[in-house]
Amino acid sequence: QVQLVQSGAEVKKPGASVKVSCKASGYTFTSYAMHWVRQAPGQRLEWMGWINAGNGNTKYSQKFQGRVTITRDTSASTAYMELSSLRSEDTAVYYCAREDAGLGDYYYMDVWGKGTTVTVSS
Amino acid sequence: DIQMTQSPSSLSASVGDRVTITCRASQSISSYLNWYQQKPGKAPKLLIYAASSLQSGVPSRFSGSGSGTDFTLTISSLQPEDFATYYCQQSYSTPRITFGQGTRLEIK
Repeated sequence: QVQLVQSGAEVKKPGASVKVSCKASGYTFTSYAMHWVRQAPGQRLEWMGWINAGNGNTKYSQKFQGRVTITRDTSASTAYMELSSLRSEDTAVYYCAREDAGLGDYYYMDVWGKGTTVTVSS
Repeated sequence: DIQMTQSPSSLSASVGDRVTITCRASQSISSYLNWYQQKPGKAPKLLIYAASSLQSGVPSRFSGSGSGTDFTLTISSLQPEDFATYYCQQSYSTPRITFGQGTRLEIK
């Protein structure tokens, strides 16, 4: 079945970086794009960035521009999200989500990873 | 960025009730609007895409409507498993998507 398996929880100190992985299975990885979305405790879902898994093109939220890097390894069917210069406000659950489209160009996220908890604390 | 605003932020209802949640976009987004359900500790689940298309496997008691700036998600007869938080999300400016703040649906 189609699934996204994310790496395990991380605890980081302020100023450090974290790299979260998202391994896809059950579909052709390069045929779909992937979003990264985070959710701080009690907060709304927040879009961080996107990668076209086929050609590697990326788009980032202005909020995270310069701090976030999304990459992929097609041989491993895995997408990665790296966030640098971590601060306490980056404590959140980080999700990867596959982008699909219906009715032509109506895009949505139909498959989600279970989330990776990143805790930033000194 | 396109801002998405949901109302109400929270809602109490009983099993069997008909419930409507509203989402408003800061500019016209045509029908590029999706709805997700999220339960505590779980990832969001897609319910509705393109404002009114039901995702495969989602019960028919869920429906969506609207276009332009105003959208609604309706649950025709609440079931115990429907108590969750619901988010709207615009895909008009994809991949630069944005979400509403969420509507928490609680048991009365």
